Order: sequence, then structure tokens, then C-alpha cells
Amino acid sequence: DTEVTQTPKHLVMGMTNKKSLKCEQHMGHRAMYWYKQKAKKPPELMFVYSYEKLSINESVPSRFSPECPNSSLLNLHLHALQPEDSALYLCASSQVPGMASPLHFGNGTRLTVT
Amino acid sequence: DQQVKQNSPSLSVQEGRISILNCDYTNSMFDYFLWYKKYPAEGPTFLISISSIKDKNEDGRFTVFLNKSAKHLSLHIVPSQPGDSAVYFCAASDNYGQNFVFGPGTRLSVLP
Repeated sequence: DTEVTQTPKHLVMGMTNKKSLKCEQHMGHRAMYWYKQKAKKPPELMFVYSYEKLSINESVPSRFSPECPNSSLLNLHLHALQPEDSALYLCASSQVPGMASPLHFGNGTRLTVT
Repeated sequence: DQQVKQNSPSLSVQEGRISILNCDYTNSMFDYFLWYKKYPAEGPTFLISISSIKDKNEDGRFTVFLNKSAKHLSLHIVPSQPGDSAVYFCAASDNYGQNFVFGPGTRLSVLP
């Protein structure tokens, strides 16, 4: 069982919808990440939160809005997405920002934009 | 421009033999390297890591070798098992360990 939990597992949304992806970890990790993975491609970094503050934004369009309400939770708010945003969205966490430690991934949310 | 490359899209190995997966990188700032395994419909699972102060790290059946001068690392799996069949990703970051870059992956098939 993964220690990073993502909900929902699958999401279908229209281009005018607003939805949110949720991620939770209880390992005491203080860095949390959103990655996007298209079919047969590697994961691509979107956002990094360190100590609940946004530290990296990889030039992601504003229709993706991250939020880190506390050290255990990470949300990704979605609005006015395009069909090309359909992908697997992966959340990850790591121990301490600023120290090299492995990422621990959730099982992802499979998003389809119609 | 791919900073992390895995030039073999796929690899087939007989059960019990050694699997060797290769990874090359271009960014000399990369100091910390990881290998992940991914099954369909699951997130990547961390296997093993190595920092640039070492040239080898071992964990059970998995060994990672780093050749920093050649900007090359490899993952050895001995002995290979059918359950090892998955896509393997190499990832790299600087020593701050936040901006991880992933390679395109190698699909390993271990044949019974």
C-alpha cells in the first residue's frame, strides 16, 4: 500500500468544470510535489511545496492552481482545462526540503478532459 | 533537450539472469540519482538511490553504479524475477533534491 493517498482515482471533467485533486501523506514529509505524466512519457514536474510554501512552479498554466493547506495535504484545483491536459496526475512527498531524499509517489489520478 | 536519457526503450531478460538498465545524464549539476519501478495504473515505486560521493549502492537484488566522469549510471537486478517486469525510470536532481528530472523509461520484461 502506498503511503501517499490520492483521490479521486479517476476523474472525467468538461472544459467548463471546476474540480480538485487531493493528496494526503502522514509520513511527516515537509516537501510535496505535483507531477503530470502523459502516456509513454516520464513524469514532468509541475509544482513543489516546501514547508507548505510554493517553492517551484514549472511555468504551469494558471488553469492549474495548487494549494497546500497543511503539512499533510496538497490540492490541485482545476478550472477551464483543455483536452490536452488529460493525463495521470501524480502527487509525491519527500522528507526534508533542501536535503536529497527520495520521492514517494501516490498512485495518481487519471484525468480525462472532454 | 533531454537532460536524462535512457536509450533502451525495452529490454527482455530470462528469469534468473542479470538485468542491466542504463541511464545517461547531461547536467553536471546533478548530484543525486534514483531508480523507480512503475506498474500500469500505479505510481512509481522508489527502488534505490545514489549520491555523487559514492560509485555504488546495493540493496538486496538491486545495485546502482555511478560513473560521474562519464555521466552514466546503471541499475543491476540479480537474479531477475518475472515480478520485476515493469517500466524503470531513472531520475536525477541537484543535491537540494527538489527539482527531479526523469528519463523516458525502459520497459523490462523478465521471461519465465
